[in-house]
Amino acid sequence: GAVVSQHPSRVICKSGTSVKIECRSLDFQATTMFWYRQFPKKSLMLMATSNEGSKATYEQGVEKDKFLINHASLTLSTLTVTSAHPEDSSFYICSVSIAGGKKTQYFGPGTRLLVL
Amino acid sequence: GENVEQHPSTLSVQEGDSAVIKCTYSDSASNYFPWYKQELGKGPQLIIDIRSNVGEKKDQRIAVTLNKTAKHFSLHITETQPEDSAVYFCAASETGSSNTGKLIFGQGTTLQVKP
Repeated sequence: GAVVSQHPSRVICKSGTSVKIECRSLDFQATTMFWYRQFPKKSLMLMATSNEGSKATYEQGVEKDKFLINHASLTLSTLTVTSAHPEDSSFYICSVSIAGGKKTQYFGPGTRLLVL
Repeated sequence: GENVEQHPSTLSVQEGDSAVIKCTYSDSASNYFPWYKQELGKGPQLIIDIRSNVGEKKDQRIAVTLNKTAKHFSLHITETQPEDSAVYFCAASETGSSNTGKLIFGQGTTLQVKP
């Protein structure tokens, strides 16, 4: 399967600041990447689908101006949480989709965000 | 849209016993069903998947069965070991050429294997 990295693994920030999370596909070119959010003891909630070279597609209820997604290359997508507030504290996980019939998704290790 | 229901939410078994987790889906267009294992503080790891053109797939101690007519699929783990303890998620997806392959996840099952 694909190897996916995320950086940083953990981040603590003050309320009102912006935080950027990077997702890298280390051994495959990923035309599509996905961003998820996960609350403790809950399932994964899809936030947006990130397509290389085009605007991301956001799920209903996800503010695109709050969660900025950039997919500038086939191996890198970034999620920026703007003007973060304590309620944005969560576990953010990206996945890469390998082109082909199954469009299998491989996940990164996740980023724990804590907003004080 | 697609809806995936997963049961049970928690499952406790004795080491060496089998564990079965079941999922149902609502959209008959879904044709790809992966299972992920998530350990605490980590990202989900793909453990097995199945497409709708097959009814069963096995990989060592793990197997998945699919009943397309009834729209349900199950994960079977045999000879469970303590290291199998984790949260397991099922998912469903439509993977046609016009689809992104967006995954809809079940609620998760916390499996505890007691030594």
